[in-house]
Amino acid sequence: SSELTQDPTVSVALGQTVRITCQGDSLRTYHVNWFQQKPGQTPLLVIYGKSHRPSGIPDRFSGSTSGNTASLTITGAQAEDEADYYCNSRDSSGNHNYVFGTGTKVTVL
Amino acid sequence: QVQLQESGPGLVKPSETLSLNCTVSGASVNSGTYYWNWIRQPPGKALEWIGSVYYGGSTNYIPSLKSRVKILIDPSKNQFSLSLSSVTAADTAVYYCANDPGYALYYWGQGILVSVSS
Repeated sequence: SSELTQDPTVSVALGQTVRITCQGDSLRTYHVNWFQQKPGQTPLLVIYGKSHRPSGIPDRFSGSTSGNTASLTITGAQAEDEADYYCNSRDSSGNHNYVFGTGTKVTVL
Repeated sequence: QVQLQESGPGLVKPSETLSLNCTVSGASVNSGTYYWNWIRQPPGKALEWIGSVYYGGSTNYIPSLKSRVKILIDPSKNQFSLSLSSVTAADTAVYYCANDPGYALYYWGQGILVSVSS
């Protein structure tokens, strides 16, 4: 299986832009999805595929990938964006298996 | 909109088998439209994908749990299930079920906390 590595913590000033990164070999082949998880809540899909947003997700969330690194960008971070964020992709087995990143805690100052 | 709901015991003894069900509404588990997944999250830790089942019963599992896990589909109840054998305290986690239209874990259940303790 593959590993997806994220920085443990990131902070951003209110209204500023923050980028959360995810590194892994499988990202060269498979698209990445991003989940937001607030304390005590179910993970929420915020980005899938090539920066697609599910209905109801604000357009300040966007995604991109370059080589083995994927990024989730929050442009104009709001207080309600403070949460844990997980990247998610296929592993390298070719068996339709998923793998999650290690998670990033985003603090909005 | 697809809705999922986990159910099962919240406490399992070490060495026994953890069994959970996920009841689906708004979609048929046997339609071939979705993969049906289980994910878990130990307290304070990251999400871990456990495995999935597709209509007809084909499955995929995370290699580290493959010898202990079984995911089955029950079209008569529009449910799918998770069995994890020989549990230890390390299997204590919130267990989630989720659907996947082929590109993302899209809709999730609310999760169920399962503790492994004697």
